[in-house]
Amino acid sequence: GAVVSQHPSWVICKSGTSVKIECRSLDFQATTMFWYRQFPKQSLMLMATSNEGSKATYEQGVEKDKFLINHASLTLSTLTVTSAHPEDSSFYICSAQDRGPYEQYFGPGTRLTVT
Amino acid sequence: AQRVTQPEKLLSVFKGAPVELKCNYSYSGSPELFWYVQYSRQRLQLLLRHISRESIKGFTADLNKGETSFHLKKPFAQEEDSAMYYCALFSGGYNKLIFGAGTRLAVHP
Repeated sequence: GAVVSQHPSWVICKSGTSVKIECRSLDFQATTMFWYRQFPKQSLMLMATSNEGSKATYEQGVEKDKFLINHASLTLSTLTVTSAHPEDSSFYICSAQDRGPYEQYFGPGTRLTVT
Repeated sequence: AQRVTQPEKLLSVFKGAPVELKCNYSYSGSPELFWYVQYSRQRLQLLLRHISRESIKGFTADLNKGETSFHLKKPFAQEEDSAMYYCALFSGGYNKLIFGAGTRLAVHP
């Protein structure tokens, strides 16, 4: 089956620094990837849709200058949290779209802790 | 407005009991609905989709357009079914999944 990986699985950074999270589709090409944020014991909140070769589409209320998304190839999308603050601490999950218009496969998530 | 509602945060049952996780949706077009499951410390994975009308791990879900519901059912719960279950609606116009808040299913021995 389709596999999506994320790296790192866990990162701790200091307030004010930037952190990059990678999302890779390992055995398929994904023209579209999605970035979600999940707070403890809560549902997934879509942050942005990442399309290969074009600018990401951000959901309302998500700061595009703070959460930079780059989808440089059909197998890789990156999310960079710039000037991180403690309130950015969360679980970030990506998914990649395969085949049909709604088939999404999810990565294992990245836990970000900002101190 | 496009919305998915899962009214129960927690559903607690004993092993062997029937299970029904509720999901209601609001969508103007023809809905594409899914159930995703997240076991402890594992990634979110697709459980089933309404269009395929399949049964996975004993779970079934029927789309009821009249009641705008897509409830997930299993006749006899197992302890390994304990997990978070998310109902999701695909919004074709925006090419994105809209998730419900999720229901935690706890199956006790």
